[in-house]
Amino acid sequence: SSELTQDPAVSVALGQTVRITCQGDILRSYYASWYQQKPGQAPVVVIHGKNNRPAGIPDRFSGSSSGNTASLTITGAQAEDEADYYCNSRDISGNHVDSVFGGGTKLTVL
Amino acid sequence: QVQLQESGPGLVKPSETLSLACSVSGDSISYSFWSWIRQPAGKGLEWIGRIFSSGNTNYSPSLKSRVTMSIDTSKNQFSLKLNSVTAADTAVYYCARLIAVVPADIPEYWYFDLWGRGTLVIVSS
Repeated sequence: SSELTQDPAVSVALGQTVRITCQGDILRSYYASWYQQKPGQAPVVVIHGKNNRPAGIPDRFSGSSSGNTASLTITGAQAEDEADYYCNSRDISGNHVDSVFGGGTKLTVL
Repeated sequence: QVQLQESGPGLVKPSETLSLACSVSGDSISYSFWSWIRQPAGKGLEWIGRIFSSGNTNYSPSLKSRVTMSIDTSKNQFSLKLNSVTAADTAVYYCARLIAVVPADIPEYWYFDLWGRGTLVIVSS
């Protein structure tokens, strides 16, 4: 099955901009979605598709994609954005329908 | 407000079958895809599979030989069975609604828009 690669940890100063990336060949074919997970909580989708934010997600979250890389950008990071972030994409390998998560990126807001 | 709630035993013996149910409230389970996703403590997310309200399923290739999902539209719930469990199956198990988006000019993509709170299943004798 395919893989999605994320940096294990990223830090950002309060109020600054941070980009979290996700790399994988399947991203050349399918859009990614991005999930925020805080300790002890279920993941929450923050971005899906080209750059779609579900209701209730602040507009400081945005997504983009180029080649085999999907990116989640937080413009003006807030303390409450400190969390684990996971990318996800569907995949089709052979006759198998699959869905793959990246390993996650722990975001620290300094 | 649509809510998902996982239920099932929190402790399963090795080699036995893990069985979980996900109850959906606030909306009909029909005409949607539903998924199971798990997360071992301190680790990342792993997709287990999906089921449509018709009963059609797709499973992760890595778990396909041990997984069965089913759906009961009369109870508005869907279920997961994972057989021959080992300690490696110890995880928080989430149920989620899977949205399949079919844009006009690019391949279909998925995302999980609603999640249950998760239930911890420990495999131990």
